[in-house]
Amino acid sequence: GAGVSQSPSNKVTEKGKDVELRCDPISGHTALYWYRQSLGQGLEFLIYFQGNSAPDKSGLPSDRFSAERTGGSVSTLTIQRTQQEDSAVYLCASSQYRGGHGYTFGSGTRLTVV
Amino acid sequence: DQQVKQNSPSLSVQEGRISILNCDYTNSMFDYFLWYKKYPAEGPTFLISISSIKDKNEDGRFTVFLNKSAKHLSLHIVPSQPGDSAVYFCAATDSGAGSYQLTFGKGTKLSVIP
Repeated sequence: GAGVSQSPSNKVTEKGKDVELRCDPISGHTALYWYRQSLGQGLEFLIYFQGNSAPDKSGLPSDRFSAERTGGSVSTLTIQRTQQEDSAVYLCASSQYRGGHGYTFGSGTRLTVV
Repeated sequence: DQQVKQNSPSLSVQEGRISILNCDYTNSMFDYFLWYKKYPAEGPTFLISISSIKDKNEDGRFTVFLNKSAKHLSLHIVPSQPGDSAVYFCAATDSGAGSYQLTFGKGTKLSVIP
């Protein structure tokens, strides 16, 4: 596609439920990142995928968070047993090469846990 | 511990005047710095970057200055236009770390008054 596509754009869920957030990167981009922005905070790194290499999961805040990238393309971020502090905008970015200047961000998924 | 700090949450500037957005960092391993611009309900878009081997990079109305000894960088917008009104994020990375994950500041909301 022309840009990074994320779905849903908005998600309201009850505390304790599981959610799945989807990211469709730009075709041909080998690197994919997930960030989140909580209210009043900067963007916080969550996880990085590069080709077929093992992902860098160092930013995931707890074991309730996991992510997959199937076939080197679409990625899914799963949050199990959601908590209110998980409420944030979850942003996905992709790049053709490793390098911050090559990042293209999606519009994000606004997650609200009630 | 915030490694990238944007101490001004907001800034208002008259149209046509200079906007100066500041950013400080603490991690001496950071060697590549970026500014992103974000409009509401959109993902951040890359604006300009600078490598630590330089102290200035210019792109049209946008100039980034880097003072490595002070661990400080700034973004100058001259002349400011109403369309520049957005949240500006400073970001930094250690390009030797391999993943090119970015560490972001909390952002500065710029309002350009017509």
